[in-house]
Amino acid sequence: EVQLVESGGGLVQPGGSLRLSCAASGFTFSSYWMHWVRQTPGKGLVWVSRLNSDGSREGYADSVKGRFTISRDNAKNTLYLQMNSLRAEDTAVYYCARGVYGDYPEFDYWGQGTLVTVSS
Amino acid sequence: QSVLTQPPSASGTPGQRVTISCSGSSSNIGSNYVFWYQHVPGTAPKRLIYRNNQRPSGVPDRFSGSKSGTSASLAISGLRSEDEADYYCATWDDSLSGPVFGGGTKLTVL
Repeated sequence: EVQLVESGGGLVQPGGSLRLSCAASGFTFSSYWMHWVRQTPGKGLVWVSRLNSDGSREGYADSVKGRFTISRDNAKNTLYLQMNSLRAEDTAVYYCARGVYGDYPEFDYWGQGTLVTVSS
Repeated sequence: QSVLTQPPSASGTPGQRVTISCSGSSSNIGSNYVFWYQHVPGTAPKRLIYRNNQRPSGVPDRFSGSKSGTSASLAISGLRSEDEADYYCATWDDSLSGPVFGGGTKLTVL
């Protein structure tokens, strides 16, 4: 059974940092592109970042470019999102999702999400 | 504001058919596949429709997708109480060079 379990969320002050993790199981993690998608309070889903299967090609939404870094450890079946210079508008539930076809927003499995709150 | 425009809400009674629209442009819906997701807050989003009108295994045939020009639609027939959720369309945007989601439609089953 495919499972994606996010962790690492919490309360952080503006300007602070946080690293999210997504532990994958039930499939060959190293064969899939992986994505982060967030949902801000009262708003919809927004794509954040993606990483190809071997970790060589990153992609970011303009709103997080230069502040967030996506990475993966295929030996540990884990996806990461390093979030720096956090702002109030980064407050959201962050989901990791498995990509079906490269960059495309087709995600066949999602995690339950981890809440990030940026507030003083 | 989202690149893709969806009505913020929709509603219907059990057994009815409901349609949710998703409007875009030539740089997104007009030239790329559309995907639909169902999201019950507090749970993992679920893929409902892929490549405009394809249903993954396990998704009931009450759900159907279509696309015409720069717009797409999700139809739900035989509405059931468990269909109450938020629904999102998504596609690739050539101008932004990235995936985009619609703002979401909250479906209420009366």
